[in-house]
Amino acid sequence: AQKVTQAQTEISVVEKEDVTLDCVYETRDTTYYLFWYKQPPSGELVFLIRRNSFDEQNEISGRYSWNFQKSTSSFNFTITASQVVDSAVYFCALNTQGGSEKLVFGKGTKLTVNP
Amino acid sequence: EAGVAQSPRYKIIEKRQSVAFWCNPISGHATLYWYQQILGQGPKLLIQFQNNGVVDDSQLPKDRFSAERLKGVDSTLKIQPAKLEDSAVYLCASSLVGVLTYSGNTIYFGEGSWLTVV
Repeated sequence: AQKVTQAQTEISVVEKEDVTLDCVYETRDTTYYLFWYKQPPSGELVFLIRRNSFDEQNEISGRYSWNFQKSTSSFNFTITASQVVDSAVYFCALNTQGGSEKLVFGKGTKLTVNP
Repeated sequence: EAGVAQSPRYKIIEKRQSVAFWCNPISGHATLYWYQQILGQGPKLLIQFQNNGVVDDSQLPKDRFSAERLKGVDSTLKIQPAKLEDSAVYLCASSLVGVLTYSGNTIYFGEGSWLTVV
């Protein structure tokens, strides 16, 4: 079975602080993809990144970076120099070859960035 | 490029009433999904279509929920009769390629239809 765990329910930081959101996944498939989505109060899930199981290279996009470690089944997300606009719920999700292309989501981490 | 369109955005109904949600996926996307997101939880897949065929509806409460995707484009999700526990956001999503060749395609979501059952 596929499972995603986001242990941090809520995080609150002050603007300009760095913050890391944790994601741990479980799957027996060797081929899979990991995703992060952002959900602002409006409700839409905004796609942030997609990473396949064969690519463990870390990725940086502006203030966002992702650390994928297969050895610990983790796919953590770091926001550098956080801003108020980063306030949202962030979801980690897993899509596996044996899962017919559907996404399994974690419960989400609510990030609040205070000015 | 237009995103996934959903309507209505908000709906309040009494229990035992019926409600229908409509979704128009991104143009050309073969796969369409309906997810249910209860407050404080991650989205949970209700049903997945490829073109107009059902791929996965294992978590759809078929005694009260139904969905169709006519002509492989738009889709409608219906709840009849609604229960209090159906209060949630119903998210429609779509992805480009069908499920016959696994490629972990990015799934794009609409803004959701917020349902409150009172």
